[in-house]
Amino acid sequence: GQQLNQSPQSMFIQEGEDVSMNCTSSSIFNTWLWYKQDPGEGPVLLIALYKAGELTSNGRLTAQFGITRKDSFLNISASIPSDVGIYFCAGQLQNAGNMLTFGGGTRLMVKP
Amino acid sequence: DAMVIQNPRYQVTQFGKPVTLSCSQTLNHNVMYWYQQKSSQAPKLLFHYYDKDFNNEADTPDNFQSRRPNTSFCFLDIRSPGLGDAAMYLCATSRDRTGVGYTFGSGTRLTVV
Repeated sequence: GQQLNQSPQSMFIQEGEDVSMNCTSSSIFNTWLWYKQDPGEGPVLLIALYKAGELTSNGRLTAQFGITRKDSFLNISASIPSDVGIYFCAGQLQNAGNMLTFGGGTRLMVKP
Repeated sequence: DAMVIQNPRYQVTQFGKPVTLSCSQTLNHNVMYWYQQKSSQAPKLLFHYYDKDFNNEADTPDNFQSRRPNTSFCFLDIRSPGLGDAAMYLCATSRDRTGVGYTFGSGTRLTVV
């Protein structure tokens, strides 16, 4: 199936540092979603992006829908220990209806 | 609160013994999905219902079946679980085909012994 390239695969940072992760593809997406998944839980939606160029914030999180509609990034400012988890990007392809394509995930570890 | 509820949270089944996982939603969403997620991997779509219309992914094994008796409930049936079917199973819903309101449940972790 269509691949979303998510990077980095993992990050180990110091509490208080800013974090940036991104997803890229060779295909055009209508929607980008960013999820956080804690161990043993389902993914929880952090930010949804519906328009090219859209920049949206949710507390310390900021995400943008790339102008080309082929990429998106998520930034976390001033990380805290509870930011630990796996972050997934997911997108809806232009011609694939409501199906989500997932990135491979970014595992974030925060050192207090 | 409107939500997607999966039961049970943890399920242990014997090799080859049929097992059913359930999902209910209070969001009144038209679309319900079942995903399989193995350790540290992205969720993999198995199938979805748009209202009563069932849509199977091409690479979903025949061992996996689904039922949606009404808008609120959807079931995942594994007819003969193998050791390789041990995974987290995630139910999700969305309002319509645009995917607005895409919401996941907390998942059921299936262990096969």
